[in-house]
Amino acid sequence: EAGVTQSPTHLIKTRGQQATLRCSPISGHTSVYWYQQALGLGLQFLLWYDEGEERNRGNFPPRFSGRQFPNYSSELNVNALELEDSALYLCASSTGQAANYGYTFGSGTRLTVV
Amino acid sequence: AQSVTQLGSHVSVSEGALVLLRCNYSSSVPPYLFWYVQYPNQGLQLLLKYTTGATLVKGINGFEAEFKKSETSFHLTKPSAHMSDAAEYFCAVIGGGSYIPTFGRGTSLIVHP
Repeated sequence: EAGVTQSPTHLIKTRGQQATLRCSPISGHTSVYWYQQALGLGLQFLLWYDEGEERNRGNFPPRFSGRQFPNYSSELNVNALELEDSALYLCASSTGQAANYGYTFGSGTRLTVV
Repeated sequence: AQSVTQLGSHVSVSEGALVLLRCNYSSSVPPYLFWYVQYPNQGLQLLLKYTTGATLVKGINGFEAEFKKSETSFHLTKPSAHMSDAAEYFCAVIGGGSYIPTFGRGTSLIVHP
């Protein structure tokens, strides 16, 4: 069974540009979660998508957005990139509520803003 | 609101020694608790979880954790550290009506030969 796949693995962008990160969940998982892991800050929750709808959003500005497609894959878009957006972005998927099942994480996309 | 505190950003042990990584949480309702491990350049892998039932939970790679409600703790232990255990460990909690886990800041486990 394929795990959660994220692409690209590394992304270098210039301040002010836009970045698009992609995530494919495990087959059968309908929920996708995005986290930002910045150095020394642990994991900060960004977005939760389930069945194509945004279900919850973390404390991030609107330039962080995303969507979930009919096949449950997801995109995270970051507009007007700032230097502090440099981080590892992790995608996770689950079936049903994460409480009972836990997350399965991808290996992440390392975004570097220069 | 829920929160997770992991005491010690770095824990250093010798190979063969006891591993103890501390996690305290706050939650207004009985929580679900998790420990994840992150190896360099990888995503997070679920080590173990507590949802209901037995308070001592066994996970992969010889790790276990005990849910202590009176102490609001969920410390992770392993009797004998291996070099391969060197990684970042994250405690997470779901509770308080939210379905989104809150993660601690992580503890880096360093294992010396």
